[in-house]
Amino acid sequence: KAGVTQTPRYLIKTRGQQVTLSCSPISGHRSVSWYQQTPGQGLQFLFEYFSETQRNKGNFPGRFSGRQFSNSRSEMNVSTLELGDSALYLCASSSLLPGSNSPLHFGNGTRLTVT
Amino acid sequence: GENVEQHPSTLSVQEGDSAVIKCTYSDSASNYFPWYKQELGKRPQLIIDIRSNVGEKKDQRIAVTLNKTAKHFSLHITETQPEDSAVYFCAASGGANNLFFGTGTRLTVIP
Repeated sequence: KAGVTQTPRYLIKTRGQQVTLSCSPISGHRSVSWYQQTPGQGLQFLFEYFSETQRNKGNFPGRFSGRQFSNSRSEMNVSTLELGDSALYLCASSSLLPGSNSPLHFGNGTRLTVT
Repeated sequence: GENVEQHPSTLSVQEGDSAVIKCTYSDSASNYFPWYKQELGKRPQLIIDIRSNVGEKKDQRIAVTLNKTAKHFSLHITETQPEDSAVYFCAASGGANNLFFGTGTRLTVIP
C-alpha cells in the first residue's frame, strides 16, 4: 500500500499570504489528523477529521482550518501567515474509528517557510 | 488538557549499551501510549505502543513499560546500534486520534 502522501514538500510564502496543504491518506484509512512540528514547540495537534467531519481540534487560532473530502483526502489552510507559522506540517492517517486509539501513520510532511 | 514530559532531551550511549527514555503524563484518562522514531529529515514512525491494560510490551530489542499509578512510561532499547540514532517521541492519548507528544529525545549511538 502507498503511504500517506503530502503535497507540496516545500513551500515558501510571505507574511500575510495564505497557504493550502494537501494530504492523501493510506487507502482505506478514513481518519486524518494534522500536526505542526517546530524545534521550539515539538509536535502539536492541529485537528482531526473522520468522514468529512472535524472530530477534534487543538489549541490553534482560527487562521488554521481544514477539511476532508468524501475520498478521505484532506486539506489544511492557513490564512494571514505569520513568521511563527514556519514549521513542518505533518499529516497522519489511521484505519480505526476515532476513540479506538489506532496507530497513526505519518506522511513526510510539508515544510512551510514564511518570510 | 494532557501534558507529556519527556526526559532526557539528549542521550548518548556506546554501541551495545542500553538506552532508557522516560515520559510522564498528567491526564489519568489517557490510555494509549505510542513511541515514534524520527530520523533526520524523515517522518515519525511508530516503533511500539502500549495500552493502559498492559504493564509491559516487548518487540525484539525494544520494550515499553507503563506505570498507571505513577503516570509514567518508559522506552527501553537494548544492544543499541548506530541505526538506532534518531529522535524519539513519546505520546499519550485518551481515546481520540489526537496525540499529545513529549518534546523528544535525541539518541546518539556511538560506534
